[in-house]
Amino acid sequence: KQEVTQIPAALSVPEGENLVLNCSFTDSAIYNLQWFRQDPGKGLTSLLLIQSSQREQTSGRLNASLDKSSGRSTLYIAASQPGDSATYLCAVKNFGNEKLTFGTGTRLTIIP
Amino acid sequence: DGGITQSPKYLFRKEGQNVTLSCEQNLNHDAMYWYRQDPGQGLRLIYYSQIVNDFQKGDIAEGYSVSREKKESFPLTVTSAQKNPTAFYLCASSIQATNTGELFFGEGSRLTVL
Repeated sequence: KQEVTQIPAALSVPEGENLVLNCSFTDSAIYNLQWFRQDPGKGLTSLLLIQSSQREQTSGRLNASLDKSSGRSTLYIAASQPGDSATYLCAVKNFGNEKLTFGTGTRLTIIP
Repeated sequence: DGGITQSPKYLFRKEGQNVTLSCEQNLNHDAMYWYRQDPGQGLRLIYYSQIVNDFQKGDIAEGYSVSREKKESFPLTVTSAQKNPTAFYLCASSIQATNTGELFFGEGSRLTVL
């Protein structure tokens, strides 16, 4: 059974700093991994999707990497801004399984 | 604009009542999903549908029912059999044909049982 862990549960960082969010998973036979952002009381917004054959994906100030052998993904945010404050979740999809397994998220606060 | 619309955003229910949450998408996606989110827990899958007139149970289907009569609509009914229905409910969809698996979400519906 796939398990997805995100540590730490909460993180506070001064504005302007670069930061890394972590996601680990137990079953490396994944089809893809997706990073989401969730603002309080809102739905999830897709940030980046990495297919199992890819090592990384980039969108603006965001860069997500994938290392299947170690069961890890990281989300790198460059030059953080107060608007980046949100909860970030990762989710993994395994081969032959329609279901995604979600982590519990990291609540990020950017301090002005 | 294309997207997923959930309604209502907030809903209050008395114990013993059934309620139906609406989910409509105009993305022409084949697959649709219902998730439940509780504080401190990851999203849990309730039901999903890969095609019209077909759906499968997820991990926590007890006390819930769905229908998929149209491609763009996937309503969720929370029945009185659901013992702890107070939660944030999220509807999602994905393109089945290309199988990229990217998931898109609606804005959610918060259900509170009084």
